[in-house]
Amino acid sequence: DGGITQSPKYLFRKEGQNVTLSCEQNLNHDAMYWYRQDPGQGLRLIYYSQIVNDFQKGDIAEGYSVSREKKESFPLTVTSAQKNPTAFYLCASSIWGYEQYFGPGTRLTVT
Amino acid sequence: GQQVMQIPQYQHVQEGEDFTTYCNSSTTLSNIQWYKQRPGGHPVFLIQLVKSGEVKKQKRLTFQFGEAKKNSSLHITATQTTDVGTYFCAGIGGAQKLVFGQGTRLTINP
Repeated sequence: DGGITQSPKYLFRKEGQNVTLSCEQNLNHDAMYWYRQDPGQGLRLIYYSQIVNDFQKGDIAEGYSVSREKKESFPLTVTSAQKNPTAFYLCASSIWGYEQYFGPGTRLTVT
Repeated sequence: GQQVMQIPQYQHVQEGEDFTTYCNSSTTLSNIQWYKQRPGGHPVFLIQLVKSGEVKKQKRLTFQFGEAKKNSSLHITATQTTDVGTYFCAGIGGAQKLVFGQGTRLTINP
């Protein structure tokens, strides 16, 4: 069963802690993406990766970090430097330039 | 940089009424994609338009790509409660990077 998985679905953290969100895909896509969505808002690109061992900053990369050591995996770390980390985080993958397939998302709450 | 604007931000209709959302880009697009996100869910790809002036239909949904490849629209005929959700357009410009519009949130009164 092909697709993208994100875990966990809900995540709660205390302010000042780093937290890593998981994203795995078995669609054999080279490109992977992380978006942030706030209530009633659109999708804002955090980081993207066109190929293994390479990634680029998106529009709102400050306070976030990523790695792309394997084609299937693109974890996102929300660091304590991110001022407003509470949001819905979506991971996606695609063949570069084609439609994106999204995971179910992780709702992060930081208090 | 490339910007994609979408209007309206919100639309509330009676079931059976039509609905249209419009998407405008600051630059010429190589193609445009449309996605639907149900409440509490994740965006799901609907369609991609590539050619200038292209029109595609999916049952009650009609998608258009403008002649100048800078605007697009999604029209839903006779809305049903299953159409509820947020509709996003996303355009690919010169940098080959997909840029999403803000989305139009559709709510329907049954």
